[in-house]
Amino acid sequence: DTGVSQDPRHKITKRGQNVTFRCDPISEHNRLYWYRQTLGQGPEFLTYFQNEAQLEKSRLLSDRFSAERPKGSFSTLEIQRTEQGDSAMYLCASSHPGLAGEETQYFGPGTRLLVL
Amino acid sequence: AQSVTQLDSQVPVFEEAPVELRCNYSSSVSVYLFWYVQYPNQGLQLLLKYLSGSTLVKGINGFEAEFNKSQTSFHLRKPSVHISDTAEYFCAYSGGGADGLTFGKGTHLIIQP
Repeated sequence: DTGVSQDPRHKITKRGQNVTFRCDPISEHNRLYWYRQTLGQGPEFLTYFQNEAQLEKSRLLSDRFSAERPKGSFSTLEIQRTEQGDSAMYLCASSHPGLAGEETQYFGPGTRLLVL
Repeated sequence: AQSVTQLDSQVPVFEEAPVELRCNYSSSVSVYLFWYVQYPNQGLQLLLKYLSGSTLVKGINGFEAEFNKSQTSFHLRKPSVHISDTAEYFCAYSGGGADGLTFGKGTHLIIQP
């Protein structure tokens, strides 16, 4: 069990650029979650995959945000036309199959984004 | 909408003293409650969770929490803290289903020598 990994750990970009973050879940976990954490706040749920199916995406912050999990393994989160307000920590979590809501989510170390 | 309130943004405590971090949640038919800890520059680690059954839940690192349905609370306690417990603590709520976790704003536990 190598844990959830995220890449890159830090990203600095200029306003208007596109950025993509990658998350590799724990290998046997079929559920994958993305969260955003701004300074002084708790993580905020963005989207959720079960295998390759994106079952919840209404909480993505705007149409500039999109996520994929094409083969049911790793996932990517893309932000197009970044804005300074997108500066935050983006966290990925994965969980083992179980009753939805009850399972333990294991978090990665996060990708810290700074938009200049 | 589901909500979680952590009443204290910071809690300073002397080393080896007891501590309680408070958490209240909005009521729902079913509720699953979690406490996570976040050390600097790291992801979140689960301390404990309440799904059903005994209202006193024991977790890792000597932490425990008590679920109180009438007061809609899930306070976290430790009888004796150590310097290594300095971290941000988050209470989280799940109503079941695929909506992810709803987190509180966090409580920064500061251990003073």
